Amino acid sequence: DTGVSQNPRHKITKRGQNVTFRCDPISEHNRLYWYRQTLGQGPEFLTYFQNEAQLEKSRLLSDRFSAERPKGSFSTLEIQRTEQGDSAMYLCASSPGRGGRNTEAFFGQGTRLTVV
Amino acid sequence: LAKTTQPISMDSYEGQEVNITCSHNNIATNDYITWYQQFPSQGPRFIIQGYKTKVTNEVASLFIPADRKSSTLSLPRVSLSDTAVYYCLVGVGYGGATNKLIFGTGTLLAVQP
Repeated sequence: DTGVSQNPRHKITKRGQNVTFRCDPISEHNRLYWYRQTLGQGPEFLTYFQNEAQLEKSRLLSDRFSAERPKGSFSTLEIQRTEQGDSAMYLCASSPGRGGRNTEAFFGQGTRLTVV
Repeated sequence: LAKTTQPISMDSYEGQEVNITCSHNNIATNDYITWYQQFPSQGPRFIIQGYKTKVTNEVASLFIPADRKSSTLSLPRVSLSDTAVYYCLVGVGYGGATNKLIFGTGTLLAVQP
């Protein structure tokens, strides 16, 4: 396991379609984060899991967004009825639980979503 | 989490030492200071974390004054490959329940030959 893996790397979809992204964190990490990043901006927090529990969700996240982490392993982020404003890089990160630095997160390479 | 302020951009030349300063006036007693690096089309990468005084690793040094209201990331002898965006974050480092990392807009460092 060499790091956080995200699939697909790129996704082009038509407005109104649903899309789903997958994140496989580092195997021993129980914390998992989703971020969104647009050009020229820093990553924006979307949601956080500790094991299978979704403990925090950004108020910026509309009802069209949903994330799951069944069994506390991989996670999926689904966007329903995509809009052009959803076009961004979606980043997943994981970090170890107790004993590790809470502020050291390991990021994947992201999924770039383009809504046309 | 405490808000941070850092320059939008900096320019440097290969071989120079680069110092990027971050202000975090409202840092809490149990907050650590963390720096990340991000290359285009990649996720951010952890560089260094500190609480006070000086921390050094194989990549960078982090200087934190006694009042901890600011910090300086020092990159020795930069190369073209150090061209990236550098983010300063503050939050609970050990033992706490940090649920998210708050990124600002970062500092775009451009290294020229």
